[in-house]
Amino acid sequence: EAGVAQSPRYKIIEKRQSVAFWCNPISGHATLYWYQQILGQGPKLLIQFQNNGVVDDSQLPKDRFSAERLKGVDSTLKIQPAKLEDSAVYLCASSLAGYNSPLHFGNGTRLTVT
Amino acid sequence: AQSVAQPEDQVNVAEGNPLTVKCTYSVSGNPYLFWYVQYPNRGLQFLLKYITGDNLVKGSYGFEAEFNKSQTSFHLKKPSALVSDSALYFCAVRDMDTNAGKSTFGDGTTLTVKP
Repeated sequence: EAGVAQSPRYKIIEKRQSVAFWCNPISGHATLYWYQQILGQGPKLLIQFQNNGVVDDSQLPKDRFSAERLKGVDSTLKIQPAKLEDSAVYLCASSLAGYNSPLHFGNGTRLTVT
Repeated sequence: AQSVAQPEDQVNVAEGNPLTVKCTYSVSGNPYLFWYVQYPNRGLQFLLKYITGDNLVKGSYGFEAEFNKSQTSFHLKKPSALVSDSALYFCAVRDMDTNAGKSTFGDGTTLTVKP
């Protein structure tokens, strides 16, 4: 099966600029996640979708981050305006419905904010 | 709040020796536990999981993990390490009963296997 697709792989922007990341999950996976992974730390959940509805966005900085999942398939994550501390790898993952299903991760987007 | 601790930032072993990567967790309900591996410039890959049943679970690439409820631990093990096992390993927990299935990850342990 095709894996989780993410683009771009790398992005460099200046602070206060905006950026968007795209994710295409594995076909048939109802649940989609966006994680932020800062160097030296584990992934931190930003937002979780079940189909096209938000299940958990408690750790999403809503003043600058937004995410949507169109028609319950693809998803985009946007940052506007970016701050230096947003430099991280942004990982998209998907899974089948059910808490015992493992997450399948994309290769991530490495964001550098200068 | 649920949490995961991986007490060792780095584990070094010689090829052919057994390896253990430690993980302890905290959840209010019953846990689902997972191990993932991350190779350089790649996303995380699923290794194995504990849901219920036998406390010793087996996964990919010869890895296994032992669930210990009384010690709230889920240590990753392999009887004989390979150089190709060198990578970053993450433990994750989900609460069966709360938090909408949110996965919480530890900060990772870098495993280095030397020839």
